[in-house]
Amino acid sequence: GQQVMQIPQYQHVQEGEDFTTYCNSSTTLSNIQWYKQRPGGHPVFLIQLVKSGEVKKQKRLTFQFGEAKKNSSLHITATQTTDVGTYFCASRETGNTPLVFGKGTRLSVIA
Amino acid sequence: EAQVTQNPRYLITVTGKKLTVTCSQNMNHEYMSWYRQDPGLGLRQIYYSMNVEVTDKGDVPEGYKVSRKEKRNFPLILESPSPNQTSLYFCASGRGSDTQYFGPGTRLTVL
Repeated sequence: GQQVMQIPQYQHVQEGEDFTTYCNSSTTLSNIQWYKQRPGGHPVFLIQLVKSGEVKKQKRLTFQFGEAKKNSSLHITATQTTDVGTYFCASRETGNTPLVFGKGTRLSVIA
Repeated sequence: EAQVTQNPRYLITVTGKKLTVTCSQNMNHEYMSWYRQDPGLGLRQIYYSMNVEVTDKGDVPEGYKVSRKEKRNFPLILESPSPNQTSLYFCASGRGSDTQYFGPGTRLTVL
């Protein structure tokens, strides 16, 4: 079945440094979603990208969907301790297939 | 308040003792699903349901059952739990398989 590979698995950064996580698929994706899970919490929806080459921003977070709709990235500028958590991408191949999650990138921010 | 609720939040049980984890949503969502989360493995889908009386297997359905008799409820049943089902379980709902709203999680330990 469909798989999405997410890298890196872990990332430790100093507060103020930037952070990027990548999500890659071997098949064309219908859309891609990003979620954040704080330690001890549940995944919370951040954003959905649908169009080829789409870029969306939420304050210090920038989300991109690749031109071929096979990859995506989440970039955080000037990380803060509140950014700590695991970031998951999730995608589906078509409108009627279930959502598949990547394994997530766990971000640690050292103050 | 729009939410997904799960009960119980924590459960310790013994091998072979049937249990049910309930999931309920008040957002009139058609799509509901169950995931288990294990360290290093991310979120793996157990079962999903596109609507009432429609359920399908996810990636790891063995040892689990579900039912969708009403739109708002999607219980997860473990007929004969085993220690390898010790995990953190999340229920989620959404309009189609777009934005997923996750419940708070159920931490299950099977001794």
